[in-house]
Amino acid sequence: AQTVTQSQPEMSVQEAETVTLSCTYDTSESDYYLFWYKQPPSRQMILVIRQEAYKQQNATENRFSVNFQKAAKSFSLKISDSQLGDAAMYFCAYRRNNAGNMLTFGGGTRLMVKP
Amino acid sequence: DAGVIQSPRHEVTEMGQEVTLRCKPISGHNSLFWYRQTMMRGLELLIYFNNNVPIDDSGMPEDRFSAKMPNASFSTLKIQPSEPRDSAVYFCASSLGQGPYNEQFFGPGTRLTVL
Repeated sequence: AQTVTQSQPEMSVQEAETVTLSCTYDTSESDYYLFWYKQPPSRQMILVIRQEAYKQQNATENRFSVNFQKAAKSFSLKISDSQLGDAAMYFCAYRRNNAGNMLTFGGGTRLMVKP
Repeated sequence: DAGVIQSPRHEVTEMGQEVTLRCKPISGHNSLFWYRQTMMRGLELLIYFNNNVPIDDSGMPEDRFSAKMPNASFSTLKIQPSEPRDSAVYFCASSLGQGPYNEQFFGPGTRLTVL
């Protein structure tokens, strides 16, 4: 079974600064997908960014980018120019190929943004 | 589109009572997921439907839990009898298709409290 670990229960960042959230996963598969989801206080889960394991290039979505290290099974999220609206729980998720669309989530990291 | 709709948003019940949570997926989506979120266990997939058929229910905790999808626009998750340890936020999500590029859209969740 796959497991996803987020070792940082809480992180804080100063507004406009950069923060990196860590995620590691355990799998014997070679083809899979990784995701970061954001859950603000409203509880709504929002997809932030997606990475395909077969792609070496790190995914980027505006201020959000990932550092995908396949050999190390590491998938960190970098948020640049942090904004107050970035304050939320962030969840890393794993999906193996040919598994329907089933996601395995990490335990989450609470990000606080200081003005 | 109104997004994924869940009802009720909050439910408080007493141990032993039957609880029914409802979900209306996004129109046209053919995959539906039920998740449970707790502090202790994080976000767990309970069951997954594709084209109204349950595909994977390995995450359903025990026989007290059951889920149905009688048609493409409605699903229920029932707990009978409920127990205090069932207290959690239950999310429903839907996606158009089963591929990794078919983003899962989450509902706002139902916060269940079992006294």
